Amino acid sequence: EAGVTQFPSHSVIEKGQTVTLRCDPISGHDNLYWYRRVMGKEIKFLLHFVKESKQDESGMPNNRFLAERTGGTYSTLKVQPAELEDSGVYFCASSQGWPTQYFGPGTRLTVL
Amino acid sequence: GENVEQHPSTLSVQEGDSAVIKCTYSDSASNYFPWYKQELGKGPQLIIDIRSNVGEKKDQRIAVTLNKTAKHFSLHITETQPEDSAVYFCAASSGSQGNLIFGKGTKLSVKP
Repeated sequence: EAGVTQFPSHSVIEKGQTVTLRCDPISGHDNLYWYRRVMGKEIKFLLHFVKESKQDESGMPNNRFLAERTGGTYSTLKVQPAELEDSGVYFCASSQGWPTQYFGPGTRLTVL
Repeated sequence: GENVEQHPSTLSVQEGDSAVIKCTYSDSASNYFPWYKQELGKGPQLIIDIRSNVGEKKDQRIAVTLNKTAKHFSLHITETQPEDSAVYFCAASSGSQGNLIFGKGTKLSVKP
């Protein structure tokens, strides 16, 4: 069974540009989570989808971040416009139900 | 909201020795405590977890203990091997929210 996949693995962009990260959860997992780890700090929750609906988006830092999950399958996280403080590793996780979450390899975003 | 403290931030042990990583949490509603191992270039991998109705759980060389009264839980790795070298994260969750609250991580180095 394939695990959670994320694309791209790395992205380097200039401040002010737009970046879109993609996550493909484990097949059949209705729950999809986005997390972020900024340099040296803890992994922080961003938001949680149940199928195509946003269950909890309390961790989203501001309105420059937009997450979607069309059709309840893969999800995208768009950052527009990117700022320096957005640099970090973005993780996606999926689960069939609470509590066990399986993480993807992450996307390392660098904003110059 | 929930806060998870993790200590130590770095830990160096000799191969064959034991390693212990400790975490404390603040929210008494938390009832699920997973531990993740992150190797270089990979995403966090679940290695063991425990629910609040259990005091201890073992899986071969790793074990987790939970003290609900004191609100702390610990990861114990016995007979450490060089391949145990990684960053370990503790986390806490409650069924009402679903998202994980992580500690800042412990970088474990096992010297041959």
